[in-house]
Amino acid sequence: EAQVTQNPRYLITVTGKKLTVTCSQNMNHEYMSWYRQDPGLGLRQIYYSMNVEVTDKGDVPEGYKVSRKEKRNFPLILESPSPNQTSLYFCASSPPDLINEQFFGPGTRLTVL
Amino acid sequence: EDQVTQSPEALRLQEGESSSLNCSYTVSGLRGLFWYRQDPGKGPEFLFTLYSAGEEKEKERLKATLTKKESFLHITAPKPEDSATYLCAVRGYQGGKLIFGQGTELSVKP
Repeated sequence: EAQVTQNPRYLITVTGKKLTVTCSQNMNHEYMSWYRQDPGLGLRQIYYSMNVEVTDKGDVPEGYKVSRKEKRNFPLILESPSPNQTSLYFCASSPPDLINEQFFGPGTRLTVL
Repeated sequence: EDQVTQSPEALRLQEGESSSLNCSYTVSGLRGLFWYRQDPGKGPEFLFTLYSAGEEKEKERLKATLTKKESFLHITAPKPEDSATYLCAVRGYQGGKLIFGQGTELSVKP
């Protein structure tokens, strides 16, 4: 089954404790992206990757890091989480010529205390 | 600055009551406007892509249209299963960057 998986699905942590949210897709897609979703603000793009070793900033990259060492994986790293990073995070992927038609993961709900 | 604004924020309809959702946008070098549906607790699901003014796409009770400044998602004779949040987004000249609107939460009552 074609899918995008995220782990963990739920996470409660404390300020400053480094964490990684993993994202993996089994569709051999070149393009992957991370979003955060907050009430009243909609989906906002954090980082995207057009292919392995190619990443670029979205609209809200501050406080986040990403890496793309393999085509299937695109982890999101929070080096020093803060409460304003409490949000619902989505990973998505697509073929490079169909970036509009992205497959989204199930989401990771992160709470930073 | 690229921007997408959706209205209304929430829309309540009776089953069978047709209506439209609006998506206004400003973007440098439009490379596509697209609509997604999002059910509570799930990731968005792709519905349509529109590339140029005058283009229309249909899927069941949904029809998306595009002008140079806005897009409409028309819902004809909606059913309760059409209840969801509908998201509009644009892709500009920066190839991989996408800008989403805040969404319209649609509720269809039987």
